[in-house]
Amino acid sequence: GQQVMQIPQYQHVQEGEDFTTYCNSSTTLSNIQWYKQRPGGHPVFLIQLVKSGEVKKQKRLTFQFGEAKKNSSLHITATQTTDVGTYFCAGRVNAGNMLTFGGGTRLMVKP
Amino acid sequence: NAGVTQTPKFRVLKTGQSMTLLCAQDMNHEYMYWYRQDPGMGLRLIHYSVGEGTTAKGEVPDGYNVSRLKKQNFLLGLESAAPSQTSVYFCASKGQPTNTGELFFGEGSRLTVL
Repeated sequence: GQQVMQIPQYQHVQEGEDFTTYCNSSTTLSNIQWYKQRPGGHPVFLIQLVKSGEVKKQKRLTFQFGEAKKNSSLHITATQTTDVGTYFCAGRVNAGNMLTFGGGTRLMVKP
Repeated sequence: NAGVTQTPKFRVLKTGQSMTLLCAQDMNHEYMYWYRQDPGMGLRLIHYSVGEGTTAKGEVPDGYNVSRLKKQNFLLGLESAAPSQTSVYFCASKGQPTNTGELFFGEGSRLTVL
């Protein structure tokens, strides 16, 4: 079945440093979504990427979708303590109803 | 507008007991999902529904049953709970067409099976 792998599993950074999490799928995706889950909270939608090679920005967050639509990344510039949480990618194959989540990257920021 | 509401938020069961988790959404969404979240494993889809009266299996359906008798409600049942079902369960809903659209998650239900 479809697998979505995410690395790293954990990342400690000093406030102000950059952070990147990578997502790789075993199959070509129709689209990919990113979610953020604060400690003790529930996942909250950040963004969806659909086109091959697509790049989207939200303030300090930059999202990329690979040319082959099998990988994606989330980059945070100059992390802040409010960025703490677990970031999940989630990929969808074709027109299916199932969204497969990666294992998540837990970001911890030292002030 | 409450969004997606899950009840109960916490529950402790003994092995072999049964229980039902209720998910209710007030956004008139067609699609509803039940996920379980375990440390290091992300969210895994248990069952989902594409509309009232329909259900389908996800990645990890064994040991669970679901029902969608009303559009706004999606119930997840455990007939005979096992310790392996200790987890945090999240319900989610989606209103847009099949291959797009964000998921709106409830706050989660933490289940412990002793």
